[in-house]
Amino acid sequence: EADIYQTPRYLVIGTGKKITLECSQTMGHDKMYWYQQDPGMELHLIHYSYGVNSTEKGDLSSESTVSRIRTEHFPLTLESARPSHTSQYLCASTGWGQGVRDYNNEQFFGPGTRLTVL
Amino acid sequence: KNQVEQSPQSLIILEGKNCTLQCNYTVSPFSNLRWYKQDTGRGPVSLTIMTFSENTKSNGRYTATLDADTKQSSLHITASQLSDSASYICVVSDRGSTLGRLYFGRGTQLTVWP
Repeated sequence: EADIYQTPRYLVIGTGKKITLECSQTMGHDKMYWYQQDPGMELHLIHYSYGVNSTEKGDLSSESTVSRIRTEHFPLTLESARPSHTSQYLCASTGWGQGVRDYNNEQFFGPGTRLTVL
Repeated sequence: KNQVEQSPQSLIILEGKNCTLQCNYTVSPFSNLRWYKQDTGRGPVSLTIMTFSENTKSNGRYTATLDADTKQSSLHITASQLSDSASYICVVSDRGSTLGRLYFGRGTQLTVWP
């Protein structure tokens, strides 16, 4: 059962285009995260949010931006895509939301968006 | 520097065989350690979580161990199945961060052959 959703799952786009990767969760979690993952490499935190109107940059420098206007929604935007942005982008959430899936700050991950910039 | 190292990088085994994956970490102060399974093209899914006081945790055919003194963990998979083919990622959380900061290993890519 998927409580955290990402769209699109796959995106192939040309250089210079503006794109938005969507992430939504239905668990009422306050904390949300964006990670970037290249094949065979570890996940790198690029953005996070403690709650509505809170956004911070992560460990890995990224040209993307994020917004958190609603608790359940945490979109990531690239104003001008470049081939160096080609990667898998994973969204995650955690926090004191509803239900039993909040044990020990476990982060729940979405299925990811595979972005290819030509 | 907080780090998580996993070995082997990749592993191929035959269906029905057992295997053990290793994780060494230097994260401090330590909060907990999770093993995640990541299928190709999917997000990671938590298999087990272990806190400082726990030595062993099982989840079906998966058994994780933790030695907090040597900062080592292992994930043992029993009677492997084709569906076990995936990347297994060791993730350590530090206790000193309100962010719930996670430190990720690069994963062990497991392939199970029939």
